[in-house]
Amino acid sequence: GESVGLHLPTLSVQEGDNSIINCAYSNSASDYFIWYKQESGKGPQFIIDIRSNMDKRQGQRVTVLLNKTVKHLSLQIAATQPGDSAVYFCAEPAGGTSYGKLTFGQGTILTVHP
Amino acid sequence: EPEVTQTPSHQVTQMGQEVILRCVPISNHLYFYWYRQILGQKVEFLVSFYNNEISEKSEIFDDQFSVERPDGSNFTLKIRSTKLEDSAMYFCASSVISEAFFGQGTRLTVV
Repeated sequence: GESVGLHLPTLSVQEGDNSIINCAYSNSASDYFIWYKQESGKGPQFIIDIRSNMDKRQGQRVTVLLNKTVKHLSLQIAATQPGDSAVYFCAEPAGGTSYGKLTFGQGTILTVHP
Repeated sequence: EPEVTQTPSHQVTQMGQEVILRCVPISNHLYFYWYRQILGQKVEFLVSFYNNEISEKSEIFDDQFSVERPDGSNFTLKIRSTKLEDSAMYFCASSVISEAFFGQGTRLTVV
C-alpha cells in the first residue's frame, strides 16, 4: 500500500567512509544543541552536544561543528561502521529548567553498507 | 547501566478505549517527559513533569491525555479515549537537569 508521511533525507555510505549529517536551525538565540541516534525500534540515544560558545566539539569517532553565522550544525562520523546505521536527529532543548523539553529536527537516515 | 524502562512494548487497543502507558524513569532523576513519534515522522514533545506536577505541555497534549506519578518509581501516560491518530511510538524520558535519557518506547496501535 501507499505510505504516508515525511520522507527523511538519506545518506548511504560504505563501511570505513566518513559521514556528514547536516542540520539547520532557525532561532539565532539558540545556545545548546544535541545530536541523537535512533536505531530501529529503539528510543533516541544521546551522542554529543555543543554549546553556542563553541564551534567544534569532538567525541569518540564523532565531531559536531556549529556555524552560528548560517545557523547550521553538522555531525561527522569517522570510519563509519554498520552499527552506525540509524536515524540521526539534531535537537534543541528549550533551556532554563526545560532542558529535557526537546525540539527535534526531521532526522537523517544513515545506511552503512559493509 | 541505569535505563528508562517502558511497558508494554506494544499495545493494541480499540478506538475509544482508554490506555495507560507505563514508565520507570532512572531512579535519581527529577524531570520526566513523554514524547511521541508517528511512523516516519520526527519525535514530538508531549509533556514534562517535575515536582509532582506538569511543568510544560504541548498543544498535542489535550484533555484526552494525563500523566501521573502514582508512587516513587512509576510515571504513567493515560489516553482517555483513543483515536486512530493516536497510533504512534510513545517514549518516556527522564533527566537530572540536562541530558534526557529515553526508554525503548511503547508502540500504540489504535484499531
